[in-house]
Amino acid sequence: GNSVTQMEGPVTLSEEAFLTINCTYTATGYPSLFWYVQYPGEGLQLLLKATKADDKGSNKGFEATYRKETTSFHLEKGSVQVSDSAVYFCALLYSSASKIIFGSGTRLSIRP
Amino acid sequence: EAGVAQSPRYKIIEKRQSVAFWCNPISGHATLYWYQQILGQGPKLLIQFQNNGVVDDSQLPKDRFSAERLKGVDSTLKIQPAKLEDSAVYLCASSLGGFENTIYFGEGSWLTVV
Repeated sequence: GNSVTQMEGPVTLSEEAFLTINCTYTATGYPSLFWYVQYPGEGLQLLLKATKADDKGSNKGFEATYRKETTSFHLEKGSVQVSDSAVYFCALLYSSASKIIFGSGTRLSIRP
Repeated sequence: EAGVAQSPRYKIIEKRQSVAFWCNPISGHATLYWYQQILGQGPKLLIQFQNNGVVDDSQLPKDRFSAERLKGVDSTLKIQPAKLEDSAVYLCASSLGGFENTIYFGEGSWLTVV
């Protein structure tokens, strides 16, 4: 079946460090892939997305590339800020059912 | 453009009581979802509507949870009677449907059952 696996957290980094949060997926067909972010006390916000192989999604300095050969969609940012502290969820959408499946989330904490 | 609206934002009830959550999706969005997010976990789909019809309710605990979307717009999720393990954030989301099917979430309704 379809599933998403994320690296476990929490991840703690110093400000301006390089960030990678790993995400791999299992899916039949060609899903769309997403990263959502959840700040404390808030709902989920779409961070970026990619709808086909080799697409790169980007937003607010974050990037992720849809890699079909490795079934991965790793999230990266070159220089993190304290305001990036949040929980990050990788997700896949199989369009035939308009259904989205989430990973378990990775908590990111950035030290000043 | 207004986002997905949910109310109430916070609710504390005793076990065996009932509670109802309301959601108004983004205008024009045919698909509406209710997710349950337990602390420290990813969201779990409870029910998915397409207009006013149910597409998937396979993970909805039907002995205590119910949801409706009578006019194909706003929706209500009810829990009766509540259990301690129902303490969670209940997220409503909506999408247009179709191939590029980005799902937009509300801020959630935070339920504590004591």
